[in-house]
Amino acid sequence: AQTVTQSQPEMSVQEAETVTLSCTYDTSESDYYLFWYKQPPSRQMILVIRQEAYKQQNATENRFSVNFQKAAKSFSLKISDSQLGDAAMYFCAYIPPGTYKYIFGTGTRLKVLA
Amino acid sequence: ETGVTQTPRHLVMGMTNKKSLKCEQHLGHNAMYWYKQSAKKPLELMFVYNFKEQTENNSVPSRFSPECPNSSHLFLHLHTLQPEDSALYLCASSRVAGGNTGELFFGEGSRLTVL
Repeated sequence: AQTVTQSQPEMSVQEAETVTLSCTYDTSESDYYLFWYKQPPSRQMILVIRQEAYKQQNATENRFSVNFQKAAKSFSLKISDSQLGDAAMYFCAYIPPGTYKYIFGTGTRLKVLA
Repeated sequence: ETGVTQTPRHLVMGMTNKKSLKCEQHLGHNAMYWYKQSAKKPLELMFVYNFKEQTENNSVPSRFSPECPNSSHLFLHLHTLQPEDSALYLCASSRVAGGNTGELFFGEGSRLTVL
């Protein structure tokens, strides 16, 4: 079965520091897509970053970057220079191509300490 | 108005009530989704509509009844719910091109409490 595991229910980071959120997944597919979504308190979930499995280069979006290890089926999110506005639930998600079945992890609650 | 809009934001209902959740997207997308979000659990996909046709029903109990009159609107009709159905119900949309590999755009959710 295809699954996504986020082993850290909660993380804390000091403002301006760097934090890494972990995600592992299980699939027999060779081509797929991975995402990190952010859900601030009482606000819409939004896309943070996206990675295609066929691309070896790690995706980056400003202060957000991923460490994609295909063989290890690992997809961690690194947030640099953490800001108070980064406090949110972060969800890792996977989707095989040609389907609508996004598979989400249970989420990691990130607290940013001033 | 842009994005994905859900109404109502909060809903409290008894187990014998009938109510509906509404979702509207202004993004020109062709696929719309209902997800159930419960604490400490992964988001559960409930239904998917692609070009108004239901393409996914993830073994959802019949007390949840979806309706998609057009590509911009999605409803979730609720009747004889159970307390364990209390959750945040999220609507999402996406653009479809030869299979879905793109970003999901979410609404803010409808917080449902069943008494």
